[in-house]
Amino acid sequence: AQSVAQPEDQVNVAEGNPLTVKCTYSVSGNPYLFWYVQYPNRGLQFLLKYITGDNLVKGSYGFEAEFNKSQTSFHLKKPSALVSDSALYFCAVRAAMNRDDKIIFGKGTRLHILP
Amino acid sequence: DAGVIQSPRHEVTEMGQEVTLRCKPISGHNSLFWYRQTMMRGLELLIYFNNNVPIDDSGMPEDRFSAKMPNASFSTLKIQPSEPRDSAVYFCASSVVGQGPYEQYFGPGTRLTVT
Repeated sequence: AQSVAQPEDQVNVAEGNPLTVKCTYSVSGNPYLFWYVQYPNRGLQFLLKYITGDNLVKGSYGFEAEFNKSQTSFHLKKPSALVSDSALYFCAVRAAMNRDDKIIFGKGTRLHILP
Repeated sequence: DAGVIQSPRHEVTEMGQEVTLRCKPISGHNSLFWYRQTMMRGLELLIYFNNNVPIDDSGMPEDRFSAKMPNASFSTLKIQPSEPRDSAVYFCASSVVGQGPYEQYFGPGTRLTVT
C-alpha cells in the first residue's frame, strides 16, 4: 500500500527565512514523488517532482525538494520565504512499479509566511 | 491552453436534488481524475478514467455518486440524490498517460453546498 504523511498541519516562517515543509512516504519499490501548492479558492498547482537521478529537485517559484531514500522523505524547501508563498502544500506519491496513474496525496500543510 | 475547465464554479442545492458537475480536460490529455476536498477528510480521489474508461472507482462514496466520460473532452460527476454531507469542493484533474509519470493539472473546482 502507498501512503504519504505530512506531520505538520501548519508551519509558520518569517519572511526572508528559509522554509521547510516535511513529507515522508511509504511505497513498495521506488517512488515517484510530487509537491503541489493550493492558493485560496484555486485548484492544486504542480510545483515539482522526483522520478530518478539527482536527489535535489528544483521546481517553480524557487522551491526545491530533497529526496532521501534512507529516511523515505521528500521535504520541500526554499532558501528565502516570501509572504506570497503562504498557501496549502500537498505532497503526493506513487509507486514506480504501478501501471496506473493514481497518486496518493498527503493531508496538506498550511504554510504561513509572516511579514 | 485554457487549462482544465469546470462548471459550475459554485452550486447551491437542496437536499434530495440531483447535481451534475462538469469537466473539460486539457486537450491531448488521456487521464481524468475526480477529487473531493473537505476540511475533515482532505483531498480524496473519487474516480479516474484512462482513455475514457473508468479504471478505479473505489473512492466513490456510495451509489448516489456516478461519473461518466462519453468522450475525450468531457466528463460529468453526478450526485443523485444529494445530501448535506456531500458539501465540498470537487476538483477535476487531467494528465497524460505514457512514459511519465506526468503531473496532474487541476481545474478551479466546483464548490457544492447542499442545504
